[in-house]
Amino acid sequence: GNSVTQMEGPVTLSEEAFLTINCTYTATGYPSLFWYVQYPGEGLQLLLKATKADDKGSNKGFEATYRKETTSFHLEKGSVQVSDSAVYFCALKRANRDDKIIFGKGTRLHILP
Amino acid sequence: EAGVTQSPTHLIKTRGQQATLRCSPISGHTSVYWYQQALGLGLQFLLWYDEGEERNRGNFPPRFSGRQFPNYSSELNVNALELEDSALYLCASSLGPRGSYEQYFGPGTRLTVT
Repeated sequence: GNSVTQMEGPVTLSEEAFLTINCTYTATGYPSLFWYVQYPGEGLQLLLKATKADDKGSNKGFEATYRKETTSFHLEKGSVQVSDSAVYFCALKRANRDDKIIFGKGTRLHILP
Repeated sequence: EAGVTQSPTHLIKTRGQQATLRCSPISGHTSVYWYQQALGLGLQFLLWYDEGEERNRGNFPPRFSGRQFPNYSSELNVNALELEDSALYLCASSLGPRGSYEQYFGPGTRLTVT
């Protein structure tokens, strides 16, 4: 079946450090891939997405590249800020009528000043 | 443009009672999705409604049910509440299965069962 596996947290970094959150997926066909972010006390926000192989999604300094050969969609940011502290979810969605999003379990990120 | 709204923000019920959660999608969106975010379990897909019909449901018992109204708003009903139903329930909307892939999420309803 379709599934998403992401690194377990919490991840704790100092401000301005480089961030990588690993995400790999299992899916038949050609899913779209997403990163969502959940700030404390809030709902989910779409951070970035990629819809086909080799696409790079980017937003707010975050980037992720759709790697079909390694079935990965790792999230990276060159210099994190305290305001980036949140829970990050990797997710996929099949391009058919089964329209649900399949989420990873989430990675909690703490950025220390 | 208003986003997805959910009510109530918090809901406290006792075991065995029924809970009703409400969601209003973004204007123009016809699909509504419900997800459960239980502690330690991540986000689990519950239900999907489009054009007033249930299109798909996740691996949840029948006491989780819902409906979509003609104005595309939706209700999630949870009957015979159990302690493990305590979770954040998120609603999302999208343009529909033939539209954008993006689902826009509301702030959630936190259900606590005591």
